[in-house]
Amino acid sequence: NAGVTQTPKFQVLKTGQSMTLQCAQDMNHEYMSWYRQDPGMGLRLIHYSVGAGITDQGEVPNGYNVSRSTTEDFPLRLLSAAPSQTSVYFCASSSYGLAGVSDTQYFGPGTRLTVL
Amino acid sequence: AQTVTQSQPEMSVQEAETVTLSCTYDTSESDYYLFWYKQPPSRQMILVIRQEAYKQQNATENRFSVNFQKAAKSFSLKISDSQLGDAAMYFCAYRSESGANSKLTFGKGITLSVRP
Repeated sequence: NAGVTQTPKFQVLKTGQSMTLQCAQDMNHEYMSWYRQDPGMGLRLIHYSVGAGITDQGEVPNGYNVSRSTTEDFPLRLLSAAPSQTSVYFCASSSYGLAGVSDTQYFGPGTRLTVL
Repeated sequence: AQTVTQSQPEMSVQEAETVTLSCTYDTSESDYYLFWYKQPPSRQMILVIRQEAYKQQNATENRFSVNFQKAAKSFSLKISDSQLGDAAMYFCAYRSESGANSKLTFGKGITLSVRP
């Protein structure tokens, strides 16, 4: 049981480049989400998904796309990287407990992205 | 919208002593969950403790306990017998219980240092 995995751990991009951050979980969790962490800002929600085929925007979605074709995977795509997207990105997942209320979120190890 | 405030950016504690980290939140909901996450230098987000708002009893996990004051919307974390490994950034987080939405709202975090 690997939990939540993220790849890559580090990435450097040039402005305008595109890339995909990978996230996978092997806990059969319905709910998955992406956060970014910036100094002095805590973690902010980018996008989330409540199940395969269903995604929605969080607090800071601009510049990012997501899709959820399987329960296990939830990739985050940067379409045209900008220096403002330099950040640490975390993926998280959780299951639903009783009455449809989701349980504690488990976080991946994070990806440090630098956009030059 | 819910907000979470951690007003102290940094704190320091002597090894073996007790320290309390403060957190306040704002919400109009009556049912919700509160969490403290620890982020050591490895960047991994680690759940420390969680509190259900409907429970009057304060949550406890070994050396970690909370003081949950629902009326005052306060959720402080007490670390007893502080250890060097407790040095990390700590985040307070709020999650609504309503529906399948599992968005976590984070505070900006507090950096805890432990003096040997």
